[in-house]
Amino acid sequence: GQQLNQSPQSMFIQEGEDVSMNCTSSSIFNTWLWYKQDPGEGPVLLIALYKAGELTSNGRLTAQFGITRKDSFLNISASIPSDVGIYFCAGQLAGNTPLVFGKGTRLSVIA
Amino acid sequence: DAGVTQSPTHLIKTRGQQVTLRCSPKSGHDTVSWYQQALGQGPQFIFQYYEEEERQRGNFPDRFSGHQFPNYSSELNVNALLLGDSALYLCASSRVGYRETQYFGPGTRLLVL
Repeated sequence: GQQLNQSPQSMFIQEGEDVSMNCTSSSIFNTWLWYKQDPGEGPVLLIALYKAGELTSNGRLTAQFGITRKDSFLNISASIPSDVGIYFCAGQLAGNTPLVFGKGTRLSVIA
Repeated sequence: DAGVTQSPTHLIKTRGQQVTLRCSPKSGHDTVSWYQQALGQGPQFIFQYYEEEERQRGNFPDRFSGHQFPNYSSELNVNALLLGDSALYLCASSRVGYRETQYFGPGTRLLVL
């Protein structure tokens, strides 16, 4: 099935550093979502973006919906150990249509 | 406000057997979507149920079937299990008419031996 291109695949950072990750698609989406998944758990919604160009924050997390509708970015500021996990982007064409996921970015934080 | 719940949490089956997984949506939600997540991959859409009918289906064989009940809960059935069906099965719920953001349950880990 279709998957989004998510990068980087993995990253190791020092506690307190900022993190950036992105997601690109060959086709347009009208909603972009960012989820975090811990081992053995389901994905937890972090940020939802509904409009091209939108910039939305949730605490230390900031995400942007690309103007072309084909990409999205997630930034985490001042990382802490509990930020460890796998971050997934997901695109959605319209309401209640299937989510298309990337392969995830695995984040490790070194204290 | 209860979130999405799934049962069982883990399951071990052998090839050729059949399995049923269950999902209760978040309070106020009426749509249930099922996803399969293989190790190291993102979730892949299986199908979606709304008003007790399958509304959309991903690229999965007919061995995968489902049901939605009047209380909006849902079941995923897989027949003639293959080794490749081993995965984390995720249920997501949403509500028609309000942005329809999907919230996921904790998943059922299925191992086929």
